[in-house]
Amino acid sequence: QKEVEQDPGPLSVPEGAIVSLNCTYSNSAFQYFMWYRQYSRKGPELLMYTYSSGNKEDGRFTAQVDKSSKYISLFIRDSQPSDSATYLCAMVSGGSNYKLTFGKGTLLTVNP
Amino acid sequence: GAVVSQHPSWVICKSGTSVKIECRSLDFQATTMFWYRQFPKQSLMLMATSNEGSKATYEQGVEKDKFLINHASLTLSTLTVTSAHPEDSSFYICSAPVRQETQYFGPGTRLLVL
Repeated sequence: QKEVEQDPGPLSVPEGAIVSLNCTYSNSAFQYFMWYRQYSRKGPELLMYTYSSGNKEDGRFTAQVDKSSKYISLFIRDSQPSDSATYLCAMVSGGSNYKLTFGKGTLLTVNP
Repeated sequence: GAVVSQHPSWVICKSGTSVKIECRSLDFQATTMFWYRQFPKQSLMLMATSNEGSKATYEQGVEKDKFLINHASLTLSTLTVTSAHPEDSSFYICSAPVRQETQYFGPGTRLLVL
């Protein structure tokens, strides 16, 4: 079993839809959880990060973490064509370790 | 957010030549930087951890003599692909952490070896 599982999609939705992206993980040592957005041929861009169970909201984006179920989600409200990208979840354990463990990424297309 | 730059953004070279890629943290100091490569439609694969003032730590299966890493200052790490071959063609990306939960990536360098 891989440490981080993420459905690669592709996921195609109409403009304005609510998008739900998910990752599961097996390593209980993970303490910090991040979502990155990567446009084609670009480096990943940090969207949101969180380190506790619960929800964190930033504009149209909501990150959700359930540590008891080892499950994280990213919700995108009122999705726009400009949201079309690959979304990567990433996790890191505590201490002095800065190495990220990534999911495979989910390719999202928002159709106008 | 913090800014990480890479240079060049793309490079084409002949087989057998060496290519150097620079990664800079522009507005913060980074004692640690990471180098990744990414193939089309795949996730990022960590190649090595670059440590300022000491040797890089390579992931299993990554040839340290082929991918030379130098972290000479708190804002600069370089990756040199030595004696490049067509199979080294890929998208190379660096990252630098500000804190554990905030790690920023460069825009990437596309390498094509002919």
